[in-house]
Amino acid sequence: EMQLLEYGGGLVQSGGSLRLSCEASGFTFSRYAMNWVRQAPGKGLEWVSGVSVSGASTNYADSVKGRFIISRDNSKGSLFLQMTSLRGEDTAVYYCAKTRAGPTPEDAFDIWGQGTMVTVSS
Amino acid sequence: DIQMTQSPSSLSASVGDRVTISCRASQTIGNYLNWYQQKPGKAPNLLIYAASSLQSGVTSRFSGSGSGTDFTLTISNLQPVDFASYYCQQTYSTPLTFGGGTKVEIK
Repeated sequence: EMQLLEYGGGLVQSGGSLRLSCEASGFTFSRYAMNWVRQAPGKGLEWVSGVSVSGASTNYADSVKGRFIISRDNSKGSLFLQMTSLRGEDTAVYYCAKTRAGPTPEDAFDIWGQGTMVTVSS
Repeated sequence: DIQMTQSPSSLSASVGDRVTISCRASQTIGNYLNWYQQKPGKAPNLLIYAASSLQSGVTSRFSGSGSGTDFTLTISNLQPVDFASYYCQQTYSTPLTFGGGTKVEIK
C-alpha cells in the first residue's frame, strides 16, 4: 500500500524555523514529483511547493518564496520542507502529496499523507 | 497566477439527488483540472484528473467535464458518504492553485 507519513510539526514562535519531513512507502519514491500543500484552520487548500523527481527543479507559492525550501532524498524515500521566518499566517496542517504519474509537480496528487500541524505563535 | 473560482461555496442536497459543482479558471488551462473530496479531519482524496478521467478506485457516481476555462463535477445518486467538501485544482502551471471549495451538506 502506498503511504506517506509526515512529521516535524509543532508549536513555534513567530520568526522561528521548523523542518517538516515526509516518509514514503509502498512505491518507488524516486519516480514521482512531490508537493507540499497546507490548510489553515477552517480554510481551503493552498499549494505550497513542489519538487521534480531529481530535486533539481523546485517551485514555490509566492506566500512562502524566499522563506521555505523543499528538498528530497531519493535514497531514503523522504521529502522535506525547511521553513524559516515563520509567521502567524503559516499556521496550518501541512500535507505532503505524491503526483499521480509524472516527473514534474504539475500533475494531480493521488496519495496524501495524514498531515502535520504547524502552529506559529506571536 | 491562475485563479480558480468554485460555485456554489455550499449546497444542501438529499440522498439520491444529482449534484453539480462548477469551477472556472481565470485563463485557459486545457484539461489540466483535477477534483478532490475532503472529509473533516482527513486528507483530500483524488476523484477526477485531467478534467474527466476517473481515478482508480473511485465510484462512477462521480464524473467530470469541461475544458478551457469552465469545468463541472457531477455527483449522481448522492449517497451519505458523499457529504464532504470538494475542491478543484489546476495543474496547468505553477503556482498550482485550488478553488475555494464547495461544502455539500445534507438537506
